[in-house]
Amino acid sequence: GENVEQHPSTLSVQEGDSAVIKCTYSDSASNYFPWYKQELGKRPQLIIDIRSNVGEKKDQRIAVTLNKTAKHFSLHITETQPEDSAVYFCAASKAGDYKLSFGAGTTVTVRA
Amino acid sequence: GAVVSQHPSWVICKSGTSVKIECRSLDFQATTMFWYRQFPKQSLMLMATSNEGSKATYEQGVEKDKFLINHASLTLSTLTVTSAHPEDSSFYICSANTGSYGYTFGSGTRLTVV
Repeated sequence: GENVEQHPSTLSVQEGDSAVIKCTYSDSASNYFPWYKQELGKRPQLIIDIRSNVGEKKDQRIAVTLNKTAKHFSLHITETQPEDSAVYFCAASKAGDYKLSFGAGTTVTVRA
Repeated sequence: GAVVSQHPSWVICKSGTSVKIECRSLDFQATTMFWYRQFPKQSLMLMATSNEGSKATYEQGVEKDKFLINHASLTLSTLTVTSAHPEDSSFYICSANTGSYGYTFGSGTRLTVV
């Protein structure tokens, strides 16, 4: 099955700085890569996603890049704010079963 | 947008008893429902995939006789944890596939077995 690895496990940044989280996947058939933000005890919230026919996608302060050849994708958050503090998960899925395989998560702390 | 209502939000049960968790799709028909388990400070681990009207497909290592999944209608999927033990204490969350790459998560159920 799909194996998604995520790094780093924790990330502390100064408010206003950028944060980058990286993920790799194993199944070359995977073609959908969402990023979720999860606050303690809450459901994951989709913040951005990218499909395999696109190399980069941006939504205001958040961007995702995808390198299909290397099988890795990254989340970039610019101008971080305290409310960006949360756990972020990357995930991957493919057509057919559409199962989401999640990375281990990154705890992001934005220092004021 | 698509909404999945999950109940209960938290439950405490005695060891050896069974607990049922419900996920209802409120404004759409959920043909496929994914069930996840999340231990504290860990990731979401897929337990099983349920499709309306057919048997659930369980991930490797998940006991199908312990975690009973029923998807009898297009708007309701249930997970029953049978003979619960303290090690089953976890956050359980469902996710409906709303079409290709659309996913709507329930709000989760915090299960504590004492």
